[in-house]
Formats: sequence, C-alpha cells, structure tokens
Amino acid sequence: DAMVIQNPRYQVTQFGKPVTLSCSQTLNHNVMYWYQQKSSQAPKLLFHYYDKDFNNEADTPDNFQSRRPNTSFCFLDIRSPGLGDAAMYLCATSRDLAGYHEQYFGPGTRLTVT
Amino acid sequence: DQQVKQNSPSLSVQEGRISILNCDYTNSMFDYFLWYKKYPAEGPTFLISISSIKDKNEDGRFTVFLNKSAKHLSLHIVPSQPGDSAVYFCAASRPSGNTPLVFGKGTRLSVIA
Repeated sequence: DAMVIQNPRYQVTQFGKPVTLSCSQTLNHNVMYWYQQKSSQAPKLLFHYYDKDFNNEADTPDNFQSRRPNTSFCFLDIRSPGLGDAAMYLCATSRDLAGYHEQYFGPGTRLTVT
Repeated sequence: DQQVKQNSPSLSVQEGRISILNCDYTNSMFDYFLWYKKYPAEGPTFLISISSIKDKNEDGRFTVFLNKSAKHLSLHIVPSQPGDSAVYFCAASRPSGNTPLVFGKGTRLSVIA
C-alpha cells in the first residue's frame, strides 16, 4: 500500500544532543511537510518542500532544519533539542501545494527530550 | 492568533445518535475546509472537505455544513458508531495555493455504546 512512513516512532534524546527524524513516502507526491504537535494543540507547520524548493515558516526556530535528498525521503534535523521541543512530529505529503489537495500523514514520531 | 478554532476539546455521544463537531474561523480569505480524523498512535487521515462555493457536502454518514456569513462549519456524523471515537481536526486553506493548511486544536469525540 502506498503510504507515508516515519521512523522511528519513538525517539528519546538528551538535551542539546542533535537528533534526526525521517520520513519516506511511496505516493510520489511533490510536497512534503513537517508538523510539530504538542499535547492538545493544533499541528503546527514547521516547513515544507515543493519538490526541491524549501519553504520555512516564519516562526520556525533556526534549531530546526530539513533535508530532502530525493522525492521519497525527507528528514527533520533538530540541532540542539531543548525540553520545549518534546512533541509529536508529523510528516505529511500532498500531490500539489494548492490547499484543496488532501494531505496524507504518517503516524508521527514522538520525541522525548531528557 | 488562532485562525481556526475548535472550542470544544471533547464531546461524548451515545451510539446511534448524531455527533456535531463545530469549527469557527476568522480569516475570510479561507476558501476550502477539511476535516481530518486521528486515532491514537496514527497520523490524521482525511475525512471530508467542502469548498466555499458550497454550503453542504455529504459522504455517507458524514456531512459538513458551511455558513460563510458566520464563518462557521460543522461536521455531522449520523448515526454515530463506537469506531468514530477519535480526535477530529478542522483545517482551512486560502486560494493562493502556496499557503499551508491551518489546523484547529481538535475535538475528541467519544461514542459510547
């Protein structure tokens, strides 16, 4: 089945220790998104790629970076995780950028910072 | 500033009855609205959407109503089933296409057998 896969599902990292979360898709979609979701909050978009074009949300901290080496894979790098970065990180894809294109979400990676 | 608001964090409904989940938005530029459903340990999945040129869209047990003048939409589930128990997110988008979806905080629906 075509899908969005996120690894790992659970990640524990130490305060200040860099961590990378990964996302892959078999849908061949042009757009890949990374969201941060904290408990009882709305998913917050961090950035998205349209093909190789990177778009950073204005309020995304510099601590968060992303890479998309090819169509299928996208990575979220947190350079120096703080306690406030503990959250669920959701990867999503869509065929195109227009808002009426459905987004397909992965199961998420729950990040714990100790 | 929350542009998409789901003011009820939770809702409990008996099986077989109607579930009504509400969503308000503040940005009149939004022209497309979506509902996503999320089970624990899974990502959100698309449920139903509506364009601003319509006031109703129906898909099986799920109907979304849009009241543009009130900047309000609602999701009706009839009849509610225990498997509908999940968190429901309302989302909105603008026509430029280059702007991301804006999500509400979600409403947790519990359908009691």
